[in-house]
Amino acid sequence: RKEVEQDPGPFNVPEGATVAFNCTYSNSASQSFFWYRQDCRKEPKLLMSVYSSGNEDGRFTAQLNRASQYISLLIRDSKLSDSATYLCVVNPYNFNKFYFGSGTKLNVKP
Amino acid sequence: SQTIHQWPATLVQPVGSPLSLECTVEGTSNPNLYWYRQAAGRGLQLLFYSVGIGQISSEVPQNLSASRPQDRQFILSSKKLLLSDSGFYLCAWSDVRGLNEQFFGPGTRLTVL
Repeated sequence: RKEVEQDPGPFNVPEGATVAFNCTYSNSASQSFFWYRQDCRKEPKLLMSVYSSGNEDGRFTAQLNRASQYISLLIRDSKLSDSATYLCVVNPYNFNKFYFGSGTKLNVKP
Repeated sequence: SQTIHQWPATLVQPVGSPLSLECTVEGTSNPNLYWYRQAAGRGLQLLFYSVGIGQISSEVPQNLSASRPQDRQFILSSKKLLLSDSGFYLCAWSDVRGLNEQFFGPGTRLTVL
């Protein structure tokens, strides 16, 4: 079983739509959780950390559900510029390694 | 502020040739350093990580090696490249003293012909 699993998509949504991605992780002792954004042929960039209490940054909201072992990312009022691949990242029982999901591709259409 | 540099940005090498990719971090001390590879259309594969000078952990047995000769320098090498070594190589750093997010360099796109 993979450490981190994501739906690869693509999610094709119109501008202004609300879209949500989920990501499941296998290690219940995982400590830290993140969402990254990766544009085509570019490096991943940190979008937001996911805290136990959830985290909101403008149009983006991240939630953690430890009981069901998943994290989610909600994007409201989608913009064309939100089109990218969103990577879920989990830092498990030690702080030296990170496990990346394979990413969920989002296409926002005009 | 911290910055991370990688070079070269792109590289085309023949099969069997050697490889040396360099990564340096500025603005922090004693970072954890990482090498990842991303094949076209695929996820990130952790190759090596280092928690200090001379300390290298290998995640995937292959014809690649890594070294950390200085605190903020991480080098990825190969003596003989294979076709399957083609990909996007990303260096990253993290600070276990903070929130421990990872930050990536701009990457090196390697094509082995």
